[in-house]
Amino acid sequence: QVVLTQSPSASASLGASVKLTCTLSSGHSGYAIAWHQQQPEKGPRFLMKVNSDGSHSRGDGIPDRFSGSTSGAERYLTISSLQSEDEADYYCQTWGTGIWVFGGGTKLTVL
Amino acid sequence: QLQLQESGPGLVKPSETLSLTCTVSGGSISSSSYYWGWIRQPPGKGLEWIGTIYYSGSTYYNPSLKSRVTISVDTSKNQFSLKLSSVTAADTAVYYCARLLSNWHFDLWGRGTLVTVSS
Repeated sequence: QVVLTQSPSASASLGASVKLTCTLSSGHSGYAIAWHQQQPEKGPRFLMKVNSDGSHSRGDGIPDRFSGSTSGAERYLTISSLQSEDEADYYCQTWGTGIWVFGGGTKLTVL
Repeated sequence: QLQLQESGPGLVKPSETLSLTCTVSGGSISSSSYYWGWIRQPPGKGLEWIGTIYYSGSTYYNPSLKSRVTISVDTSKNQFSLKLSSVTAADTAVYYCARLLSNWHFDLWGRGTLVTVSS
């Protein structure tokens, strides 16, 4: 069964860029994933889908400061020009035949 | 604009059955392009997929919860529902309903509802 691994925390300065990583378990490097953002005290919001070839498709209304990329079994979410409202938990999510899986989440602090 | 809204009791006693409904507005639950799902988040913890349903009634459940979960759909009411039996304090969580694009990723979320299991 596919497992997604995320670092528990990350931090970056206001106006800077940050790259969050989601790692697919062995044997599952061809999977696409989705990134979701959860701001404090709010429900999750879909950000984008990232494919194994590195292409990505953002959700409605998601600014192009958010981008996705791929390297092997790693899927990335890059946020540029960090704003205070980007401080949130970020979850990656994937799917297989009849199963859906979330990573443990990364808490992003904007300094 | 499609919206999802969870509803149901906020307090459930241990050993009883948790029941929640998700009402879909602004679109049809019978669209062939989408699946529908339930996810939960215990306080201070991450997201856990509970189960997924298609408008035809096909269901998929998290193996760790499968023995206690039932998800159903009522296309006439544009709703789908979650039942979780034999609950314990470990089932205390915010429960979200969400839409899945095809059977891939969740692309639209409800606001969530907190369910506390306590006597």
